[in-house]
Amino acid sequence: NAGVTQTPKFQVLKTGQSMTLQCAQDMNHEYMSWYRQDPGMGLRLIHYSVGAGITDQGEVPNGYNVSRSTTEDFPLRLLSAAPSQTSVYFCASREPGPRAKDTQYFGPGTRLTVL
Amino acid sequence: DAKTTQPPSMDCAEGRAANLPCNHSTISGNEYVYWYRQIHSQGPQYIIHGLKNNETNEMASLIITEDRKSSTLILPHATLRDTAVYYCIDLPSGGYQKVTFGTGTKLQVIP
Repeated sequence: NAGVTQTPKFQVLKTGQSMTLQCAQDMNHEYMSWYRQDPGMGLRLIHYSVGAGITDQGEVPNGYNVSRSTTEDFPLRLLSAAPSQTSVYFCASREPGPRAKDTQYFGPGTRLTVL
Repeated sequence: DAKTTQPPSMDCAEGRAANLPCNHSTISGNEYVYWYRQIHSQGPQYIIHGLKNNETNEMASLIITEDRKSSTLILPHATLRDTAVYYCIDLPSGGYQKVTFGTGTKLQVIP
């Protein structure tokens, strides 16, 4: 049971380049989400998904696209990278349960620098 | 926007209890109080949660006021490894609502 995995761990892009951050979980969780964390700041929700084929925007969705074709995978796409997207990106999964521990499990993060 | 408010930073002497407060001004009856912490550069980690009763586990204790408008996370004997950012969140039970974090409290444990 690997939990939540993210690739790559580090990435450097030039302004205007595109890329996809990968996230996978093996806990069969319906809910998955992406956060970004700028230096010295808290976590901000980018997009989230409550199941395959269902996604919705979070607090800071602009510049990012997501899709959810399977329960396991939730990739985050940067269409045209900008220096303002330099950040650490965390993926998380969660399985809400009635009166149960509703815990989010986070991946190790992807550290992205846009030059 | 995050619905909870926390002090931006706190210090605690190693070996002493760390008491981290959180205000839940808009908490509703079906929302649980959750606490997470984020140790430097890692993803946040679940600590504890509760509805209205005080809770204790191997990591911490959680005190929730009777009106549920405030809570306190207690680390009974803080160690240097407890230096982290601590987040409190209000979360409905069993729902798929999005989860947003505030700015948290940066706890510095001092030797």
